[in-house]
Amino acid sequence: GEDVEQSLFLSVREGDSSVINCTYTDSSSTYLYWYKQEPGAGLQLLTYIFSNMDMKQDQRLTVLLNKKDKHLSLRIADTQTGDSAIYFCAEIPGNTGFQKLVFGTGTRLLVSP
Amino acid sequence: GAVVSQHPSRVICKSGTSVKIECRSLDFQATTMFWYRQFPKQSLMLMATSNEGSKATYEQGVEKDKFLINHASLTLSTLTVTSAHPEDSSFYICSARPTPNTEAFFGQGTRLTVV
Repeated sequence: GEDVEQSLFLSVREGDSSVINCTYTDSSSTYLYWYKQEPGAGLQLLTYIFSNMDMKQDQRLTVLLNKKDKHLSLRIADTQTGDSAIYFCAEIPGNTGFQKLVFGTGTRLLVSP
Repeated sequence: GAVVSQHPSRVICKSGTSVKIECRSLDFQATTMFWYRQFPKQSLMLMATSNEGSKATYEQGVEKDKFLINHASLTLSTLTVTSAHPEDSSFYICSARPTPNTEAFFGQGTRLTVV
């Protein structure tokens, strides 16, 4: 199937690091993405990683990719209250002709002061 | 990044009426756009792939006569919810990619409420 799995909820304190995990399905996916959705809004692309990379760092964001286990994670350093949102990982499976984005179930991050 | 504009952001309509939602790529051309539906506290479900100049490709279980898609130009796709019912109330989001297999950019979403 095309189920991309994420844990549903994560709660952290301001200043801590947050780690959001994702297990994807298609080893032929060439790009893997992280999107952020604030309440009532569309999706904002945070970062993406090529499948031939193990890690990508972008300011406070670090993406780790374990292709063998088809596991993707997003680490947010020094988490702020403004980071509270739903985070979606997404892949573009090869069996869709590399056209369709398949989203994970979403992780709701709550950052408390 | 590229900008995708969706309009309206919110709409309330009566049961039985039709509602049109527009999705525009503002600074790039998109031969393909995607329409998603999101239920409260759930992930995005792909409804259909909109292809410029040809028929849309619908996902399994999505009624093509209910959700009409028109992609008349390289910068505009429209989704029309026909004969809307309360169960069609949802958050609808479009997306487009400047080139295939690269990051997708999303509209702001449209909150449809059918009363």
